[in-house]
Amino acid sequence: DAGVIQSPRHEVTEMGQEVTLRCKPISGHDYLFWYRQTMMRGLELLIYFNNNVPIDDSGMPEDRFSAKMPNASFSTLKIQPSEPRDSAVYFCASSLGGSHYEQFFGPGTRLTVL
Amino acid sequence: SQQGEEDPQALSIQEGENATMNCSYKTSINNLQWYRQNSGRGLVHLILIRSNEREKHSGRLRVTLDTSKKSSSLLITASRAADTASYFCATEKSSGDKLTFGTGTRLAVRP
Repeated sequence: DAGVIQSPRHEVTEMGQEVTLRCKPISGHDYLFWYRQTMMRGLELLIYFNNNVPIDDSGMPEDRFSAKMPNASFSTLKIQPSEPRDSAVYFCASSLGGSHYEQFFGPGTRLTVL
Repeated sequence: SQQGEEDPQALSIQEGENATMNCSYKTSINNLQWYRQNSGRGLVHLILIRSNEREKHSGRLRVTLDTSKKSSSLLITASRAADTASYFCATEKSSGDKLTFGTGTRLAVRP
């Protein structure tokens, strides 16, 4: 298996633009997690899905952030409109079960909002 | 606030030495996991220890868990330059499916 795939790897955009980050989890994994990593706040869980259903989105910063998982092999994280404080590395991770299983992380998307 | 806090924040050792990192947490947990992150990469799972376990080994890694003190340690023996990375502990609270990650320890192994 290729592991968790994220695209793009790097994104530079201007404030106010819409940003869409994409993730393909490992086949057969039921859980998908979106994280954000910054120097100031560390690694934060934004939202996670179980069997394509959002379970906990309490980490989503505000209404500008939205996430979808239309099928078992694809998820998106959208920021609209983007702001400079959204600059961070965004990781997608998947696992066979909940957090009693190891999580497999993608390589991340480095987002810079100018 | 962070569930897990690693100590020290940064550690620099010579190749061949042992490295010990500690993690403290605040609430009861089901399990605790350790992850490694190389610069510019995603996190990689190292080891999982359940709340009813006290020690676990994997190759050069040894993890201990003391639930009475709400702490865990990760020992890397005979360190190598390739062990240079950030190390994070992550805890699963007694209910729920999500992990809460600590602040990480940056380990530098000098050749």
